[in-house]
Amino acid sequence: KAGVTQTPRYLIKTRGQQVTLSCSPISGHRSVSWYQQTPGQGLQFLFEYFSETQRNKGNFPGRFSGRQFSNSRSEMNVSTLELGDSALYLCASSLGWGFGTEAFFGQGTRLTVV
Amino acid sequence: TQLLEQSPQFLSIQEGENLTVYCNSSSVFSSLQWYRQEPGEGPVLLVTVVTGGEVKKLKRLTFQFGDARKDSSLHITAAQTGDTGLYLCAGVKGGGADGLTFGKGTHLIIQP
Repeated sequence: KAGVTQTPRYLIKTRGQQVTLSCSPISGHRSVSWYQQTPGQGLQFLFEYFSETQRNKGNFPGRFSGRQFSNSRSEMNVSTLELGDSALYLCASSLGWGFGTEAFFGQGTRLTVV
Repeated sequence: TQLLEQSPQFLSIQEGENLTVYCNSSSVFSSLQWYRQEPGEGPVLLVTVVTGGEVKKLKRLTFQFGDARKDSSLHITAAQTGDTGLYLCAGVKGGGADGLTFGKGTHLIIQP
């Protein structure tokens, strides 16, 4: 079965712009989580969506937002980009809410802010 | 303060050698997962351990969850070049409502 698909794979944006990243989970998976990965901080949890509702949120500013559609696809938006937002953004899908179930990650979107 | 501390941060050894990497915390986790990530890819789940003292084997990889469910280790026997990658541990607290908490990972290089 198809894995988790993230688009685009690479993005270059300018400070102050906004960006939208997309994630298509594995068919049948209703939970989508987003993570930011940087060399200094490692993987940090952004938020989790289940059945179109945000269930959990990490410690990130309000510039980071997301949503989930009825087909479980999810988008993440970052507004007023800062240089420090440069990172690999990873999406993970799982069957249920919370991480008692196995999580499958996409390849990520590499965002560079210049 | 990192909730999950992984050590060592970097490890480079020769093919055929054995190694152990550690994942430690002062917090109790209901379960702990180990992932392996290769450059340009997302993490891939290797194993989930849920019971204190649990030991799981995956071919040459042995995973152990501490009795108090605060720490875990990954032991690789007779390392191969294909084992090269970033090894991440991730903990689930309580019912999982706070998502996965990741350590910063151990960068492992197996030299031929």
